[in-house]
Amino acid sequence: DSGVTQTPKHLITATGQRVTLRCSPRSGDLSVYWYQQSLDQGLQFLIQYYNGEERAKGNILERFSAQQFPDLHSELNLSSLELGDSALYFCASSKQETQYFGPGTRLLVL
Amino acid sequence: QKEVEQDPGPLSVPEGAIVSLNCTYSNSAFQYFMWYRQYSRKGPELLMYTYSSGNKEDGRFTAQVDKSSKYISLFIRDSQPSDSATYLCAMSGEGGSEKLVFGKGTKLTVNP
Repeated sequence: DSGVTQTPKHLITATGQRVTLRCSPRSGDLSVYWYQQSLDQGLQFLIQYYNGEERAKGNILERFSAQQFPDLHSELNLSSLELGDSALYFCASSKQETQYFGPGTRLLVL
Repeated sequence: QKEVEQDPGPLSVPEGAIVSLNCTYSNSAFQYFMWYRQYSRKGPELLMYTYSSGNKEDGRFTAQVDKSSKYISLFIRDSQPSDSATYLCAMSGEGGSEKLVFGKGTKLTVNP
């Protein structure tokens, strides 16, 4: 158990819908990262927050947004969902260089 | 050219074999090198972490980094069926708390 928690474990939704994925980092970790894992692209960095502020952005679509709250938990919002958004979404947290991953949310868009 | 290249395998070995997993990369700014293990439908689990060039050993696992060749390796000695998983290399730059760039992973099966 990495200490990073993610909810929900599974999400099934329809195209055009909006969903919110939630992440709680390890105790004391200020950085939260979101990654998307698909079969063809592998693990891809989406966005990083540090102590409530956006720190870095990767290949995150404009339909996706995230935030980190004062209690350091983070949410990833995915809107206008498309079939191609079906993937595993992971959250990771870190104090310094090493990132610890949560169990992921499996999103299926039908 | 992708920033990180990793042979996807699959790799199938008998129990007790020595396994060698490798990645190459193109970005010379990478300073931190990690290996993660991912079981099916689970989150990646950090196995080994190395800063800059050199070797690091932890039990049956040895990680090697050769920055001059932009090549990293993970060796697993006395492999066990429980080692069957996908192994992902990952790297990040000098800043420390930066995004990780991953290889696509090598799927390993250790047969009893």
